[in-house]
Amino acid sequence: GAVVSQHPSRVICKSGTSVKIECRSLDFQATTMFWYRQFPKKSLMLMATSNEGSKATYEQGVEKDKFLINHASLTLSTLTVTSAHPEDSSFYICSARSRDLSSGANVLTFGAGSRLTVL
Amino acid sequence: AQSVTQPDIHITVSEGASLELRCNYSYGATPYLFWYVQSPGQGLQLLLKYFSGDTLVQGIKGFEAEFKRSQSSFNLRKPSVHWSDAAEYFCAVGPSGGYQKVTFGTGTKLQVIP
Repeated sequence: GAVVSQHPSRVICKSGTSVKIECRSLDFQATTMFWYRQFPKKSLMLMATSNEGSKATYEQGVEKDKFLINHASLTLSTLTVTSAHPEDSSFYICSARSRDLSSGANVLTFGAGSRLTVL
Repeated sequence: AQSVTQPDIHITVSEGASLELRCNYSYGATPYLFWYVQSPGQGLQLLLKYFSGDTLVQGIKGFEAEFKRSQSSFNLRKPSVHWSDAAEYFCAVGPSGGYQKVTFGTGTKLQVIP
């Protein structure tokens, strides 16, 4: 089945630095990927929709300049947290849309997530 | 706007007992409904989905869910829980036509005791 690889799984950085998280579709092409943020004991919050070859679409309240998304190829989307601060510490999860072979419907496959800790 | 409510934050069941996790949704049209499972520190894995047709949906790992339009519910069930089922479970709803704007519930954490 479809596999989405997310890297790094854990990252610790100093306040003020930038961190890049990669999301790769390993065995399929993903024209659309999604980035979520998960707060402790909370649900997943959709941050943005990443479209290959075009600008990402951000959800209301998500800072575009803080969370830079680039979808330069059909298998890679990156999320860069710029000038990170402790309040940016969170679990970030990406997902990619692929085609379910049995039903023909669109399927969301999730990466394993990236735990960001900003000191 | 679409929304999902999972009224149970935490559930504890004995191994071998049956399980039902509740999910209620709010959506103006025919929804696409999903259940995902998340193990600690991991991403989400799709257990099952409902798009149309038979309202009783079978998923992986012995899970099933039933779509009840009249009750706006999509409860997840398993007849006999295994210790490895301990995880967090998320119900999600999306508009028909795909996975755009999928909204997740707040999750139910399942603890399994021997």
